[in-house]
Amino acid sequence: EAQVTQNPRYLITVTGKKLTVTCSQNMNHEYMSWYRQDPGLGLRQIYYSMNVEVTDKGDVPEGYKVSRKEKRNFPLILESPSPNQTSLYFCASRDRDRGQETQYFGPGTRLLVL
Amino acid sequence: GEDVEQSLFLSVREGDSSVINCTYTDSSSTYLYWYKQEPGAGLQLLTYIFSNMDMKQDQRLTVLLNKKDKHLSLRIADTQTGDSAIYFCAERGTGFQKLVFGTGTRLLVSP
Repeated sequence: EAQVTQNPRYLITVTGKKLTVTCSQNMNHEYMSWYRQDPGLGLRQIYYSMNVEVTDKGDVPEGYKVSRKEKRNFPLILESPSPNQTSLYFCASRDRDRGQETQYFGPGTRLLVL
Repeated sequence: GEDVEQSLFLSVREGDSSVINCTYTDSSSTYLYWYKQEPGAGLQLLTYIFSNMDMKQDQRLTVLLNKKDKHLSLRIADTQTGDSAIYFCAERGTGFQKLVFGTGTRLLVSP
């Protein structure tokens, strides 16, 4: 079954304590991205990766880091979380094959930074 | 920059048709997408349309695109209570990497 998995699903932490949210996909997709979802703002792209070792900033990258050492994994790192990073985070993977596009989103990680 | 707008809320009765509207500003949009988000879940890609098309139908879903007015709509025929969810539209330009999402429309279907 094609899927994107994220861990943890829920996380409560304190300001400044480094955390990592993992993301893994099993479709061999080249393209992966991270979004945050906030009320009234829809989804905003944080970072994306076009392939292994190729990452770039999205619209709201401040305070976040990513890495893409393997095709299937794309972790999101918050080196020093702050309360304004309290949000719902989604990882997604996409690809194109013979003109057809497929997209899969993970189930989300709800983060609360105190 | 690019902007995508949606109305916040839509309420319909079971069996009626639902029409969710979206407007966008990027005249270079190449693909436009519709997603469904159920409570506690990620987004599910429902359908998408290439910018040189006016309409796309997929079972109960019909997407209409008016490129001149930069207006996109999603019609759900014979709406069911299981269609209750938040629906997002999104657009992308010529680059594959960037999607711009609307704020989402919450659809409530009552029996």
